[in-house]
Amino acid sequence: DAKTTQPTSMDCAEGRAANLPCNHSTISGNEYVYWYRQIHSQGPQYIIHGLKNNETNEMASLIITEDRKSSTLILPHATLRDTAVYYCIVRPFSGNTGKLIFGQGTTLQVKP
Amino acid sequence: DVKVTQSSRYLVKRTGEKVFLECVQDMDHENMFWYRQDPGLGLRLIYFSYDVKMKEKGDIPEGYSVSREKKERFSLILESASTNQTSMYLCASSLPGQGGSNEQFFGPGTRLTVL
Repeated sequence: DAKTTQPTSMDCAEGRAANLPCNHSTISGNEYVYWYRQIHSQGPQYIIHGLKNNETNEMASLIITEDRKSSTLILPHATLRDTAVYYCIVRPFSGNTGKLIFGQGTTLQVKP
Repeated sequence: DVKVTQSSRYLVKRTGEKVFLECVQDMDHENMFWYRQDPGLGLRLIYFSYDVKMKEKGDIPEGYSVSREKKERFSLILESASTNQTSMYLCASSLPGQGGSNEQFFGPGTRLTVL
């Protein structure tokens, strides 16, 4: 299974863009990059996923490098409610089951 | 709005008790998952099920069993609870599908304490 590496923690000023990096240098061609976040005392929440093209939705943008060895999650205008642990996950190809392997994630602290 | 519910937010049990953690989803999802989350260890997959009466072991199945009698319900069973099973337990569900499109929806979690 492809492994991901993320910084342990990051700070961001409220209203500024938060850029969360993830390294997945051993990713294989049929593996997707997923991002989830977990706000304190809640279950994880899906943010976005992608294969090779950049993706954007109402929550965030996902930028994947051309070689697919790294990606960046961008929260364009971070708010205090975005303070959470952010998980970058490479989905193993496990057929139908959609199994995800969570690492340690990045704790993002958004400060006023 | 999609929903995954877990029977309790907080639970306290004694060593040796049989413990049932219930999870219900209302999205008609085929896949359901049980994780535990511990400080410094992240989320670890205990068991998952991709259909009624089907189950597969995750990364840490020892000491646990599961039951999926109906599509919407996935139960985690601790046959004889031990103190090292004190943890946050999270249930999730997803649609099946190749190609990475099966987003997992999580419940709020059950914090289990075994004394």
